[in-house]
Amino acid sequence: AQTVTQSQPEMSVQEAETVTLSCTYDTSESDYYLFWYKQPPSRQMILVIRQEAYKQQNATENRFSVNFQKAAKSFSLKISDSQLGDAAMYFCAYRSRGGDDKIIFGKGTRLHILP
Amino acid sequence: DSGVTQTPKHLITATGQRVTLRCSPRSGDLSVYWYQQSLDQGLQFLIQYYNGEERAKGNILERFSAQQFPDLHSELNLSSLELGDSALYFCASSVALDPAYGYTFGSGTRLTVV
Repeated sequence: AQTVTQSQPEMSVQEAETVTLSCTYDTSESDYYLFWYKQPPSRQMILVIRQEAYKQQNATENRFSVNFQKAAKSFSLKISDSQLGDAAMYFCAYRSRGGDDKIIFGKGTRLHILP
Repeated sequence: DSGVTQTPKHLITATGQRVTLRCSPRSGDLSVYWYQQSLDQGLQFLIQYYNGEERAKGNILERFSAQQFPDLHSELNLSSLELGDSALYFCASSVALDPAYGYTFGSGTRLTVV
């Protein structure tokens, strides 16, 4: 079974600085999708960025980018120019390309932005 | 507004009771997923429906059941409630069985069992 591990329960970063959230996963599959979701205090789950495993190029969405290392099964999220609105819980998630299509989530990293 | 509607937003009930959580998926989405988020935990997959049919089951207790109706809205029924069932219950939807899409989540139902 696939698993997703986020080893940093909490992190803090100064406003305008850059922070990297770590995620590792375990799978025997070769084709899959990885996601980062953000959960602000409003509780809403918001998709931040997605990566397709068969694409070597790292995904980027404005200030958010990922470092996808397929061989190492690592999928970190970099947030540049951190803003107060980035304060939230961030979840790394995995989804198979075929078969079972449920999304498996890590336990999350709570990110604090220091003004 | 994500387009996925969950009601009620908050629910407080006593142990042993039964509750029903409701979810209306985003227009055009055929798949509905239910997740449970306990305190300081990630999201645990409960069950998935696709176009009215159960498609996948996760760690869903026998006291819990769900269904998806012809209009595609879904209900999650929780019975014989225990204190440990207190959690945030999310519904999510997606347009098709295409893993390229993430889910669109509702804002959740906060269940408190006292």
